[in-house]
Amino acid sequence: NAGVTQTPKFQVLKTGQSMTLQCAQDMNHNSMYWYRQDPGMGLRLIYYSASEGTTDKGEVPNGYNVSRLNKREFSLRLESAAPSQTSVYFCASSEHSAGTAYTGELFFGEGSRLTVL
Amino acid sequence: KNEVEQSPQNLTAQEGEFITINCSYSVGISALHWLQQHPGGGIVSLFMLSSGKKKHGRLIATINIQEKHSSLHITASHPRDSAVYICAAPFYNTDKLIFGTGTRLQVFP
Repeated sequence: NAGVTQTPKFQVLKTGQSMTLQCAQDMNHNSMYWYRQDPGMGLRLIYYSASEGTTDKGEVPNGYNVSRLNKREFSLRLESAAPSQTSVYFCASSEHSAGTAYTGELFFGEGSRLTVL
Repeated sequence: KNEVEQSPQNLTAQEGEFITINCSYSVGISALHWLQQHPGGGIVSLFMLSSGKKKHGRLIATINIQEKHSSLHITASHPRDSAVYICAAPFYNTDKLIFGTGTRLQVFP
Protein backbone atom coordinates (compact mmCIF):
# COMPACT_ATOMS: atom_id res chain seq x y z
CA ASN A 1 0.00 0.00 0.00
CA ALA A 2 1.89 3.07 -1.27
CA GLY A 3 -0.34 5.77 0.32
CA VAL A 4 0.44 9.14 -1.26
CA THR A 5 3.16 9.24 -3.90
CA GLN A 6 4.52 12.50 -5.28
CA THR A 7 7.17 13.13 -7.90
CA PRO A 8 9.74 14.43 -8.41
CA LYS A 9 11.44 14.55 -5.01
CA PHE A 10 13.91 17.22 -6.10
CA GLN A 11 13.88 19.72 -8.94
CA VAL A 12 15.93 22.76 -9.90
CA LEU A 13 14.41 25.22 -12.33
CA LYS A 14 15.46 28.46 -13.90
CA THR A 15 13.20 31.49 -13.60
CA GLY A 16 10.48 31.29 -16.23
CA GLN A 17 10.61 27.53 -16.73
CA SER A 18 7.52 25.42 -16.20
CA MET A 19 7.03 22.12 -14.45
CA THR A 20 4.37 19.84 -13.04
CA LEU A 21 4.42 18.10 -9.69
CA GLN A 22 2.54 14.83 -9.77
CA CYS A 23 0.62 13.29 -6.89
CA ALA A 24 -1.29 10.04 -6.66
CA GLN A 25 -3.06 8.31 -3.78
CA ASP A 26 -4.31 4.75 -3.60
CA MET A 27 -6.64 5.08 -0.60
CA ASN A 28 -9.75 6.09 -2.56
CA HIS A 29 -9.83 9.45 -0.78
CA ASN A 30 -12.13 12.21 -1.94
CA SER A 31 -10.04 15.18 -0.84
CA MET A 32 -6.57 16.03 -2.06
CA TYR A 33 -4.39 19.03 -1.25
CA TRP A 34 -1.22 20.79 -2.28
CA TYR A 35 0.74 22.63 0.41
CA ARG A 36 3.99 24.50 0.46
CA GLN A 37 6.30 24.66 3.44
CA ASP A 38 8.72 27.54 3.93
CA PRO A 39 11.17 28.10 6.80
CA GLY A 40 9.54 29.69 9.84
CA MET A 41 6.04 29.32 8.44
CA GLY A 42 3.36 26.72 8.83
CA LEU A 43 2.22 24.63 5.90
CA ARG A 44 0.15 26.78 3.59
CA LEU A 45 -2.57 25.50 1.31
CA ILE A 46 -2.06 26.23 -2.36
CA TYR A 47 -5.01 24.41 -3.90
CA TYR A 48 -7.39 21.77 -2.83
CA SER A 49 -9.80 19.34 -4.49
CA ALA A 50 -12.83 17.99 -2.68
CA SER A 51 -13.62 15.44 -5.37
CA GLU A 52 -12.78 14.42 -8.91
CA GLY A 53 -13.35 17.32 -11.27
CA THR A 54 -13.44 20.05 -8.63
CA THR A 55 -10.67 22.34 -7.40
CA ASP A 56 -10.57 25.31 -5.06
CA LYS A 57 -8.00 27.97 -4.23
CA GLY A 58 -6.24 27.94 -0.92
CA GLU A 59 -4.21 30.66 0.83
CA VAL A 60 -1.45 31.05 -1.76
CA PRO A 61 -2.71 30.04 -5.23
CA ASN A 62 -0.99 32.74 -7.33
CA GLY A 63 1.46 31.32 -9.85
CA TYR A 64 0.05 27.80 -9.67
CA ASN A 65 -2.53 25.74 -11.49
CA VAL A 66 -3.92 22.34 -10.59
CA SER A 67 -5.70 19.50 -12.24
CA ARG A 68 -7.67 16.71 -10.59
CA LEU A 69 -7.28 14.20 -13.37
CA ASN A 70 -9.27 11.47 -11.65
CA LYS A 71 -9.93 10.37 -8.08
CA ARG A 72 -6.35 9.15 -7.66
CA GLU A 73 -4.32 11.97 -9.18
CA PHE A 74 -3.91 15.66 -8.40
CA SER A 75 -1.18 17.60 -10.18
CA LEU A 76 0.31 21.02 -9.46
CA ARG A 77 1.73 23.09 -12.30
CA LEU A 78 4.05 26.07 -12.22
CA GLU A 79 3.65 27.81 -15.57
CA SER A 80 6.47 30.32 -15.16
CA ALA A 81 8.56 29.58 -12.11
CA ALA A 82 9.79 32.40 -9.89
CA PRO A 83 12.43 32.37 -7.12
CA SER A 84 9.60 33.02 -4.61
CA GLN A 85 8.30 29.56 -5.45
CA THR A 86 11.40 27.92 -4.03
CA SER A 87 9.91 25.71 -1.35
CA VAL A 88 9.10 22.21 -0.26
CA TYR A 89 5.78 21.04 -1.66
CA PHE A 90 3.59 18.43 -0.05
CA CYS A 91 0.64 16.63 -1.49
CA ALA A 92 -1.89 15.19 0.97
CA SER A 93 -5.19 13.38 0.91
CA SER A 94 -8.04 12.69 3.31
CA GLU A 95 -11.26 10.80 3.11
CA HIS A 96 -13.73 13.57 3.92
CA SER A 97 -15.11 15.98 1.37
CA ALA A 98 -15.57 19.72 1.59
CA GLY A 99 -18.29 21.29 3.67
CA THR A 100 -18.25 18.70 6.42
CA ALA A 101 -17.65 19.76 9.98
CA TYR A 102 -15.20 16.98 10.49
CA THR A 103 -11.91 16.32 8.82
CA GLY A 104 -10.55 12.89 8.10
CA GLU A 105 -7.02 11.83 8.94
CA LEU A 106 -4.45 13.39 6.63
CA PHE A 107 -1.94 11.35 4.66
CA PHE A 108 1.08 13.13 3.22
CA GLY A 109 3.46 12.44 0.40
CA GLU A 110 7.21 12.60 1.08
CA GLY A 111 7.57 16.11 -0.26
CA SER A 112 9.14 17.70 -3.33
CA ARG A 113 11.98 20.15 -2.85
CA LEU A 114 11.90 22.77 -5.58
CA THR A 115 14.58 25.38 -6.15
CA VAL A 116 14.05 28.19 -8.64
CA LEU A 117 17.20 30.04 -9.63
CA LYS B 1 -2.20 36.90 12.13
CA ASN B 2 -1.75 33.19 12.72
CA GLU B 3 -4.95 31.62 14.00
CA VAL B 4 -3.14 28.55 15.30
CA GLU B 5 -0.37 29.20 17.82
CA GLN B 6 2.01 26.63 19.21
CA SER B 7 4.32 26.81 22.18
CA PRO B 8 7.13 26.45 22.74
CA GLN B 9 8.78 26.92 19.35
CA ASN B 10 11.80 24.90 20.43
CA LEU B 11 12.16 22.34 23.16
CA THR B 12 15.10 20.28 24.35
CA ALA B 13 14.81 17.43 26.82
CA GLN B 14 16.79 14.64 28.36
CA GLU B 15 15.76 11.11 27.58
CA GLY B 16 13.01 9.98 29.93
CA GLU B 17 11.51 13.42 30.53
CA PHE B 18 7.80 14.16 30.22
CA ILE B 19 7.15 16.55 27.32
CA THR B 20 4.21 18.91 26.78
CA ILE B 21 3.55 20.87 23.61
CA ASN B 22 0.66 23.32 23.50
CA CYS B 23 -1.61 24.49 20.72
CA SER B 24 -4.12 27.33 20.92
CA TYR B 25 -6.46 28.34 18.15
CA SER B 26 -8.78 31.25 17.56
CA VAL B 27 -11.17 29.75 15.04
CA GLY B 28 -14.13 27.62 15.98
CA ILE B 29 -13.36 24.02 15.18
CA SER B 30 -14.76 20.58 15.66
CA ALA B 31 -11.52 18.63 15.32
CA LEU B 32 -7.79 19.21 15.61
CA HIS B 33 -4.82 17.39 14.12
CA TRP B 34 -1.42 16.66 15.56
CA LEU B 35 1.28 15.82 13.03
CA GLN B 36 4.90 14.78 13.30
CA GLN B 37 7.60 15.82 10.83
CA HIS B 38 10.86 13.95 11.07
CA PRO B 39 14.25 15.43 10.14
CA GLY B 40 14.01 13.69 6.78
CA GLY B 41 10.96 15.82 6.05
CA GLY B 42 8.15 13.28 5.94
CA ILE B 43 4.92 14.21 7.73
CA VAL B 44 2.72 11.68 9.51
CA SER B 45 -0.57 12.11 11.28
CA LEU B 46 -0.41 11.34 15.01
CA PHE B 47 -3.89 12.23 16.21
CA MET B 48 -7.13 13.70 15.10
CA LEU B 49 -9.40 14.55 18.00
CA SER B 50 -12.57 16.44 18.61
CA SER B 51 -12.95 16.05 22.38
CA GLY B 52 -11.33 14.62 25.45
CA LYS B 53 -8.16 12.62 25.15
CA LYS B 54 -6.51 10.09 22.86
CA LYS B 55 -3.54 7.89 23.62
CA HIS B 56 -1.19 6.01 21.32
CA GLY B 57 1.78 4.37 22.98
CA ARG B 58 3.72 7.08 24.81
CA LEU B 59 1.83 9.88 23.10
CA ILE B 60 -1.26 11.50 24.60
CA ALA B 61 -3.30 14.27 23.04
CA THR B 62 -5.94 16.28 24.83
CA ILE B 63 -8.31 18.97 23.66
CA ASN B 64 -10.60 21.47 25.36
CA ILE B 65 -12.95 22.80 22.70
CA GLN B 66 -14.41 25.51 24.94
CA GLU B 67 -10.98 26.90 25.83
CA LYS B 68 -9.71 26.41 22.25
CA HIS B 69 -6.62 24.60 23.48
CA SER B 70 -4.95 21.28 22.84
CA SER B 71 -1.85 19.63 24.28
CA LEU B 72 0.41 16.85 23.08
CA HIS B 73 2.24 14.94 25.79
CA ILE B 74 5.10 12.51 25.37
CA THR B 75 5.84 10.27 28.32
CA ALA B 76 9.31 8.77 28.85
CA SER B 77 10.75 10.71 25.92
CA HIS B 78 13.34 9.07 23.69
CA PRO B 79 15.83 10.46 21.16
CA ARG B 80 13.74 8.95 18.38
CA ASP B 81 10.95 11.36 19.40
CA SER B 82 13.11 14.21 18.08
CA ALA B 83 11.03 15.84 15.38
CA VAL B 84 8.86 18.86 14.63
CA TYR B 85 5.35 18.54 16.02
CA ILE B 86 2.63 20.46 14.24
CA CYS B 87 -0.97 21.14 15.18
CA ALA B 88 -3.59 22.05 12.62
CA ALA B 89 -7.21 23.12 12.82
CA PRO B 90 -9.89 23.19 10.12
CA PHE B 91 -10.72 26.56 8.66
CA TYR B 92 -14.32 27.51 9.44
CA ASN B 93 -15.40 23.90 9.69
CA THR B 94 -14.25 22.93 6.22
CA ASP B 95 -11.50 20.46 5.60
CA LYS B 96 -8.98 23.18 4.78
CA LEU B 97 -6.55 23.28 7.64
CA ILE B 98 -4.65 26.12 9.26
CA PHE B 99 -1.29 24.91 10.49
CA GLY B 100 0.79 26.05 13.41
CA THR B 101 4.45 26.78 12.74
CA GLY B 102 5.52 23.71 14.68
CA THR B 103 7.49 22.87 17.82
CA ARG B 104 10.98 21.52 17.26
CA LEU B 105 11.74 18.87 19.87
CA GLN B 106 15.20 17.49 20.52
CA VAL B 107 15.62 14.67 23.01
CA PHE B 108 19.18 13.93 24.11
CA PRO B 109 20.39 10.61 25.53
